[in-house]
Amino acid sequence: EVQLVESGGGLVQPGGSLRLSCAASGFTFSDHYMDWVRQAPGKGLEWVGRIRNKANSYLTEYAASVKGRFTVSRDDFQNSLSLQMNSLKTEDTAVYYCTRASDYGDFFDYWGQGALVTVSS
Amino acid sequence: EIVLTQSPGTLSLSPGERATLSCRASQRVSGNYLAWYQQKPGQAPRLLIYEASSRATGIPDRFGGSGSGTDFTLTINRLEPEDFAVYYCQQYGSSPPFTFGGGTKVEIK
Repeated sequence: EVQLVESGGGLVQPGGSLRLSCAASGFTFSDHYMDWVRQAPGKGLEWVGRIRNKANSYLTEYAASVKGRFTVSRDDFQNSLSLQMNSLKTEDTAVYYCTRASDYGDFFDYWGQGALVTVSS
Repeated sequence: EIVLTQSPGTLSLSPGERATLSCRASQRVSGNYLAWYQQKPGQAPRLLIYEASSRATGIPDRFGGSGSGTDFTLTINRLEPEDFAVYYCQQYGSSPPFTFGGGTKVEIK
């Protein structure tokens, strides 16, 4: 059974940093592209960023709203995905979902339960 | 960046009725690479449909996707109580950023 479990959410002040982690199991993690998608309270879904697999040089891509502030990384030995968030803004407040990109295209076939990040003074 | 517009914002229907949800793209979605997700309160989204009309594993056949180019539709036949939720479309036909529609809420009338 595929499982994605996020951790590391919490309350942080504007300008601060936070690191989210996602533990993956039940599939060959190293084969898949992995993405982060977020959802502000009461709002829709927003793609945040992705990391490709080793075969594709671990290339990363980001939404314009987070580029230069957020970094996606992965550890294929630990089957884990991370999102380092720096220079946080109040508008980054959201539930952050770890997702697996499908073998068949750039859609998200498995999602974690989400981690809430609140940016507030 | 492709903008997806979903309509209506809210659909009020009774169990057993058919729901028709629309997703319109600001430009052609390459390969008809459009997905639909269902989200219930307090839960993560769940993949329903990919490539406009292919059902994901375990999705009941009352869920159907159709459309091409810029206009796509999710149809839910014979609404069950568990189908009342918010539905999002997502395009993946172009390089990132991958974009989502704003969602359609299907509520009990």
